[in-house]
Amino acid sequence: DSGVTQTPKHLITATGQRVTLRCSPRSGDLSVYWYQQSLDQGLQFLIQYYNGEERAKGNILERFSAQQFPDLHSELNLSSLELGDSALYFCASSVGTGQGTDTQYFGPGTRLTVL
Amino acid sequence: AQKVTQAQTEISVVEKEDVTLDCVYETRDTTYYLFWYKQPPSGELVFLIRRNSFDEQNEISGRYSWNFQKSTSSFNFTITASQVVDSAVYFCALSERRGGTSYGKLTFGQGTILTVHP
Repeated sequence: DSGVTQTPKHLITATGQRVTLRCSPRSGDLSVYWYQQSLDQGLQFLIQYYNGEERAKGNILERFSAQQFPDLHSELNLSSLELGDSALYFCASSVGTGQGTDTQYFGPGTRLTVL
Repeated sequence: AQKVTQAQTEISVVEKEDVTLDCVYETRDTTYYLFWYKQPPSGELVFLIRRNSFDEQNEISGRYSWNFQKSTSSFNFTITASQVVDSAVYFCALSERRGGTSYGKLTFGQGTILTVHP
Protein backbone atom coordinates (compact mmCIF):
# COMPACT_ATOMS: atom_id res chain seq x y z
CA ASP A 1 0.00 0.00 0.00
CA SER A 2 1.60 3.24 -1.20
CA GLY A 3 -0.51 5.50 1.02
CA VAL A 4 -2.07 7.24 -1.98
CA THR A 5 -5.83 6.74 -2.21
CA GLN A 6 -8.05 7.12 -5.23
CA THR A 7 -11.82 6.98 -5.56
CA PRO A 8 -13.78 5.56 -7.14
CA LYS A 9 -12.03 2.36 -8.14
CA HIS A 10 -14.26 1.85 -11.16
CA LEU A 11 -16.45 4.25 -13.09
CA ILE A 12 -18.76 3.43 -15.98
CA THR A 13 -20.44 6.26 -17.80
CA ALA A 14 -21.76 7.29 -21.20
CA THR A 15 -20.32 9.46 -23.92
CA GLY A 16 -20.86 13.16 -23.41
CA GLN A 17 -20.96 12.87 -19.63
CA ARG A 18 -18.71 14.47 -17.03
CA VAL A 19 -16.94 12.66 -14.18
CA THR A 20 -14.68 13.58 -11.28
CA LEU A 21 -11.84 11.42 -10.04
CA ARG A 22 -10.49 12.02 -6.58
CA CYS A 23 -7.03 11.51 -5.11
CA SER A 24 -5.58 11.87 -1.61
CA PRO A 25 -1.78 12.01 -1.46
CA ARG A 26 0.44 10.33 1.10
CA SER A 27 0.67 12.17 4.38
CA GLY A 28 3.27 14.93 4.06
CA ASP A 29 3.41 14.91 0.25
CA LEU A 30 2.84 18.27 -1.42
CA SER A 31 2.84 17.24 -5.08
CA VAL A 32 0.09 15.37 -6.86
CA TYR A 33 0.44 14.02 -10.40
CA TRP A 34 -2.13 12.57 -12.77
CA TYR A 35 -1.33 9.95 -15.41
CA GLN A 36 -3.46 8.16 -17.96
CA GLN A 37 -2.78 4.56 -18.95
CA SER A 38 -4.38 3.28 -22.15
CA LEU A 39 -3.57 0.39 -24.45
CA ASP A 40 -2.63 2.56 -27.40
CA GLN A 41 -0.86 5.44 -25.61
CA GLY A 42 0.70 3.65 -22.66
CA LEU A 43 1.35 5.67 -19.49
CA GLN A 44 1.10 9.38 -20.18
CA PHE A 45 1.68 12.28 -17.82
CA LEU A 46 -1.27 14.65 -17.64
CA ILE A 47 -0.64 17.31 -15.01
CA GLN A 48 1.12 18.09 -11.73
CA TYR A 49 0.09 20.25 -8.80
CA TYR A 50 2.38 21.36 -6.03
CA ASN A 51 0.91 22.78 -2.83
CA GLY A 52 -2.23 23.94 -4.61
CA GLU A 53 -0.62 25.42 -7.71
CA GLU A 54 -0.30 23.92 -11.16
CA ARG A 55 3.36 23.00 -11.64
CA ALA A 56 3.62 21.16 -14.95
CA LYS A 57 1.36 20.18 -17.78
CA GLY A 58 1.61 17.24 -20.12
CA ASN A 59 -0.66 15.89 -22.81
CA ILE A 60 -3.86 16.90 -21.08
CA LEU A 61 -6.89 17.54 -23.26
CA GLU A 62 -8.80 20.82 -22.96
CA ARG A 63 -11.85 18.78 -21.88
CA PHE A 64 -9.89 17.69 -18.82
CA SER A 65 -9.08 19.87 -15.84
CA ALA A 66 -7.66 19.35 -12.39
CA GLN A 67 -7.18 21.16 -9.13
CA GLN A 68 -5.54 20.64 -5.78
CA PHE A 69 -7.38 21.79 -2.69
CA PRO A 70 -6.00 23.36 0.53
CA ASP A 71 -6.07 19.94 2.23
CA LEU A 72 -3.88 18.76 -0.68
CA HIS A 73 -6.32 16.29 -2.15
CA SER A 74 -6.79 16.59 -5.88
CA GLU A 75 -9.59 16.09 -8.35
CA LEU A 76 -9.39 15.37 -12.04
CA ASN A 77 -12.46 16.44 -14.00
CA LEU A 78 -13.17 14.84 -17.35
CA SER A 79 -15.97 16.31 -19.45
CA SER A 80 -17.66 15.64 -22.80
CA LEU A 81 -16.39 12.11 -22.49
CA GLU A 82 -15.53 10.11 -25.58
CA LEU A 83 -15.01 6.39 -26.06
CA GLY A 84 -11.29 7.01 -26.35
CA ASP A 85 -11.15 8.42 -22.82
CA SER A 86 -11.65 4.92 -21.44
CA ALA A 87 -8.45 4.23 -19.51
CA LEU A 88 -6.87 3.67 -16.13
CA TYR A 89 -6.20 7.00 -14.43
CA PHE A 90 -3.45 7.07 -11.85
CA CYS A 91 -2.70 9.62 -9.25
CA ALA A 92 0.79 9.81 -7.74
CA SER A 93 2.26 11.95 -5.00
CA SER A 94 5.70 13.04 -3.88
CA VAL A 95 7.18 15.07 -1.08
CA GLY A 96 8.61 17.92 -3.12
CA THR A 97 8.22 19.55 -6.49
CA GLY A 98 9.26 16.48 -8.44
CA GLN A 99 12.77 17.66 -9.15
CA GLY A 100 15.88 15.81 -8.23
CA THR A 101 15.53 12.83 -5.99
CA ASP A 102 11.78 13.14 -5.48
CA THR A 103 10.07 9.76 -5.97
CA GLN A 104 6.48 9.44 -7.08
CA TYR A 105 4.29 6.89 -5.32
CA PHE A 106 1.20 5.78 -7.18
CA GLY A 107 -2.33 5.13 -6.07
CA PRO A 108 -4.33 2.05 -7.13
CA GLY A 109 -5.94 3.88 -10.07
CA THR A 110 -9.47 4.56 -11.26
CA ARG A 111 -10.66 2.52 -14.20
CA LEU A 112 -12.91 4.64 -16.39
CA THR A 113 -15.12 2.97 -18.97
CA VAL A 114 -17.02 5.18 -21.40
CA LEU A 115 -19.88 3.41 -23.21
CA ALA B 1 12.63 15.33 -26.05
CA GLN B 2 13.13 12.47 -23.70
CA LYS B 3 12.30 8.91 -24.65
CA VAL B 4 12.37 5.50 -22.99
CA THR B 5 12.43 2.29 -25.00
CA GLN B 6 11.71 -1.16 -23.65
CA ALA B 7 12.26 -3.32 -26.70
CA GLN B 8 11.01 -6.53 -25.08
CA THR B 9 7.22 -6.56 -25.22
CA GLU B 10 6.80 -9.91 -23.51
CA ILE B 11 9.11 -12.36 -21.78
CA SER B 12 8.15 -15.80 -20.60
CA VAL B 13 10.38 -17.85 -18.27
CA VAL B 14 10.12 -20.86 -16.01
CA GLU B 15 10.43 -20.43 -12.28
CA LYS B 16 14.01 -20.17 -10.97
CA GLU B 17 15.36 -18.85 -14.27
CA ASP B 18 17.15 -15.50 -14.26
CA VAL B 19 15.61 -12.82 -16.45
CA THR B 20 16.86 -9.42 -17.59
CA LEU B 21 14.57 -6.59 -18.68
CA ASP B 22 16.15 -4.04 -20.99
CA CYS B 23 15.66 -0.28 -20.90
CA VAL B 24 17.27 2.30 -23.17
CA TYR B 25 16.69 6.01 -22.72
CA GLU B 26 17.28 9.28 -24.57
CA THR B 27 17.71 12.65 -22.95
CA ARG B 28 19.60 15.88 -23.61
CA ASP B 29 20.10 16.64 -19.94
CA THR B 30 23.30 15.79 -18.11
CA THR B 31 21.41 15.24 -14.86
CA TYR B 32 18.45 12.92 -14.85
CA TYR B 33 16.81 10.15 -12.84
CA LEU B 34 15.78 6.67 -13.85
CA PHE B 35 13.12 4.51 -12.25
CA TRP B 36 11.67 1.03 -12.43
CA TYR B 37 8.05 0.41 -11.51
CA LYS B 38 6.16 -2.88 -11.35
CA GLN B 39 2.49 -3.31 -12.24
CA PRO B 40 1.18 -6.67 -10.95
CA PRO B 41 -2.11 -8.12 -12.24
CA SER B 42 -3.98 -6.21 -9.52
CA GLY B 43 -3.15 -3.03 -11.44
CA GLU B 44 -1.34 -0.72 -9.05
CA LEU B 45 2.08 0.73 -9.90
CA VAL B 46 4.74 -0.19 -7.37
CA PHE B 47 8.01 1.75 -7.11
CA LEU B 48 11.10 -0.49 -7.22
CA ILE B 49 14.18 1.68 -7.60
CA ARG B 50 15.55 5.13 -8.51
CA ARG B 51 19.02 5.86 -9.89
CA ASN B 52 20.68 9.24 -10.39
CA SER B 53 22.60 9.92 -13.59
CA PHE B 54 25.74 10.86 -11.67
CA ASP B 55 25.83 7.57 -9.77
CA GLU B 56 26.70 4.63 -11.99
CA GLN B 57 27.09 2.14 -9.17
CA ASN B 58 25.10 -0.96 -9.85
CA GLU B 59 22.76 -2.13 -7.14
CA ILE B 60 21.58 -5.43 -5.77
CA SER B 61 18.54 -5.81 -3.56
CA GLY B 62 17.68 -9.37 -2.73
CA ARG B 63 16.83 -11.13 -5.99
CA TYR B 64 16.76 -7.82 -7.89
CA SER B 65 19.75 -6.10 -9.46
CA TRP B 66 20.12 -3.10 -11.72
CA ASN B 67 22.84 -2.34 -14.27
CA PHE B 68 23.12 1.35 -15.17
CA GLN B 69 25.48 2.17 -18.06
CA LYS B 70 25.61 5.81 -19.07
CA SER B 71 27.83 5.06 -22.07
CA THR B 72 25.08 3.01 -23.69
CA SER B 73 22.14 4.91 -22.11
CA SER B 74 20.84 1.72 -20.60
CA PHE B 75 19.32 0.84 -17.25
CA ASN B 76 18.65 -2.89 -17.21
CA PHE B 77 16.89 -4.84 -14.49
CA THR B 78 17.62 -8.46 -13.59
CA ILE B 79 15.55 -10.81 -11.48
CA THR B 80 17.53 -13.78 -10.20
CA ALA B 81 15.78 -17.08 -9.53
CA SER B 82 12.43 -15.76 -10.74
CA GLN B 83 9.21 -16.69 -8.95
CA VAL B 84 5.60 -16.85 -10.08
CA VAL B 85 4.86 -13.76 -7.96
CA ASP B 86 7.27 -11.78 -10.16
CA SER B 87 4.75 -12.01 -13.00
CA ALA B 88 3.83 -8.42 -13.79
CA VAL B 89 4.36 -5.61 -16.25
CA TYR B 90 7.62 -3.77 -15.58
CA PHE B 91 8.06 -0.12 -16.57
CA CYS B 92 11.23 1.86 -16.91
CA ALA B 93 10.82 5.65 -16.52
CA LEU B 94 12.90 8.79 -16.88
CA SER B 95 12.63 12.11 -15.09
CA GLU B 96 14.73 15.06 -16.19
CA ARG B 97 16.03 17.58 -13.70
CA ARG B 98 15.83 20.55 -16.03
CA GLY B 99 12.93 19.77 -18.25
CA GLY B 100 11.56 23.28 -18.59
CA THR B 101 8.06 23.16 -17.24
CA SER B 102 8.11 19.39 -17.10
CA TYR B 103 9.55 19.15 -13.62
CA GLY B 104 8.49 15.91 -12.07
CA LYS B 105 7.10 14.49 -15.29
CA LEU B 106 7.91 10.81 -15.69
CA THR B 107 8.32 9.50 -19.20
CA PHE B 108 7.55 5.79 -19.25
CA GLY B 109 8.58 3.04 -21.60
CA GLN B 110 5.90 0.82 -23.10
CA GLY B 111 6.46 -1.83 -20.46
CA THR B 112 7.60 -5.45 -20.55
CA ILE B 113 5.11 -8.17 -19.64
CA LEU B 114 6.92 -10.81 -17.61
CA THR B 115 5.26 -14.18 -17.12
CA VAL B 116 6.89 -16.68 -14.81
CA HIS B 117 5.56 -20.21 -15.18
CA PRO B 118 5.70 -22.73 -12.34
